[in-house]
Amino acid sequence: AQSVTQLGSHVSVSEGALVLLRCNYSSSVPPYLFWYVQYPNQGLQLLLKYTSAATLVKGINDFEAEFKKSETSFHLTKPSAHMSDAAEYFCAVTGSGAAGNKLTFGGGTRVLVKP
Amino acid sequence: DTGVSQDPRHKITKRGQNVTFRCDPISEHNRLYWYRQTLGQGPEFLTYFQNEAQLEKSRLLSDRFSAERPKGSFSTLEIQRTEQGDSAMYLCASSLVETGGFGYTFGSGTRLTVV
Repeated sequence: AQSVTQLGSHVSVSEGALVLLRCNYSSSVPPYLFWYVQYPNQGLQLLLKYTSAATLVKGINDFEAEFKKSETSFHLTKPSAHMSDAAEYFCAVTGSGAAGNKLTFGGGTRVLVKP
Repeated sequence: DTGVSQDPRHKITKRGQNVTFRCDPISEHNRLYWYRQTLGQGPEFLTYFQNEAQLEKSRLLSDRFSAERPKGSFSTLEIQRTEQGDSAMYLCASSLVETGGFGYTFGSGTRLTVV
């Protein structure tokens, strides 16, 4: 069984400030982890994914995330927030083999960027 | 290829009516997935197909829901006797078998409102 917990359903940051979104996972198999972004009335766009290679993963738009097995975490960061980063962000987990047939998502974190 | 297409984008229906949604995946993708996303929540897995075979169904997919992928290309999701609790965004995604959960492409979704 797999699950994802995203701490904080809403995060407010100032433009130019650090963005930090927290994700903790639970998985009975080696996990593969993802961050997706969703803009209003849109589908999900992949930001980055961890697939057991480097633990620090770089994605699009200067986002990055670090896989920490000891902490079962996969937090998402961006050094400097831009107004266009205002959106909802979802962390997701899947596994290998049959467990890799579907994604399990967290509840999401909505990011508000203040000018 | 324009990605994963979903139709309609929005649907308002009266309680008790039947509705059908369509998803056209990326043409070379042999896997197709349906997810449901209620307001303020992350997407939840409903079902997936590999070619025309429906390989897994979630417990969320009650007997009022049926999904098909008759020729291994587009898919339809039908909800019979809609209830207010069916109001949600229905997301479709596709991937290759080889990439599974690692290589999803999501559509923009169909937002269903049951009144």
